[in-house]
Amino acid sequence: GENVEQHPSTLSVQEGDSAVIKCTYSDSASNYFPWYKQELGKRPQLIIDIRSNVGEKKDQRIAVTLNKTAKHFSLHITETQPEDSAVYFCAAGDNDMRFGAGTRLTVKP
Amino acid sequence: GAVVSQHPSWVICKSGTSVKIECRSLDFQATTMFWYRQFPKQSLMLMATSNEGSKATYEQGVEKDKFLINHASLTLSTLTVTSAHPEDSSFYICSASGGYNEKLFFGSGTQLSVL
Repeated sequence: GENVEQHPSTLSVQEGDSAVIKCTYSDSASNYFPWYKQELGKRPQLIIDIRSNVGEKKDQRIAVTLNKTAKHFSLHITETQPEDSAVYFCAAGDNDMRFGAGTRLTVKP
Repeated sequence: GAVVSQHPSWVICKSGTSVKIECRSLDFQATTMFWYRQFPKQSLMLMATSNEGSKATYEQGVEKDKFLINHASLTLSTLTVTSAHPEDSSFYICSASGGYNEKLFFGSGTQLSVL
């Protein structure tokens, strides 16, 4: 089955700086890679996703890159703001998803 | 995005009782629903996958007789924690998908506390 590893587990940046979170996956059949933001006690919210036929996708300050050969994908947040502070999860799969362990991002004002 | 409603949001029960959690897709037909368990500061652990009208597929280590899943319609799936014990206390969250390779939308989660 699919196994997803996520790094780092915690990340602290200064407001305005960029943040990068990386994930690797094991199953080459996986073709859908979403990223979720979860605030304390709330449901995960989809923030961006990418499919295997695309190498990069951008939505305002958020971008995701995918390297299928190396089986890794990354989340990039630019011009970070305090409200970006949350736990971010990557996931990989096709019909059923497997989640990474999560990254707690803290943006210091 | 699509809306997935989950109830109750929190429940406290005595050890040995059963608890039912509902997950509804409000504005789309969910051919597949997923149930997860999340411990504090940890990731979402998939418990089972259910397709409408068929038996759920449970992940390794998840007791199917303890965590009963029913997906009787395209808009409703239920998780029943039978004979709950304190170690079952956790945050349970569902997600729903409109079909193969479709986006997942999450319910708001249920915090279960078993005394």
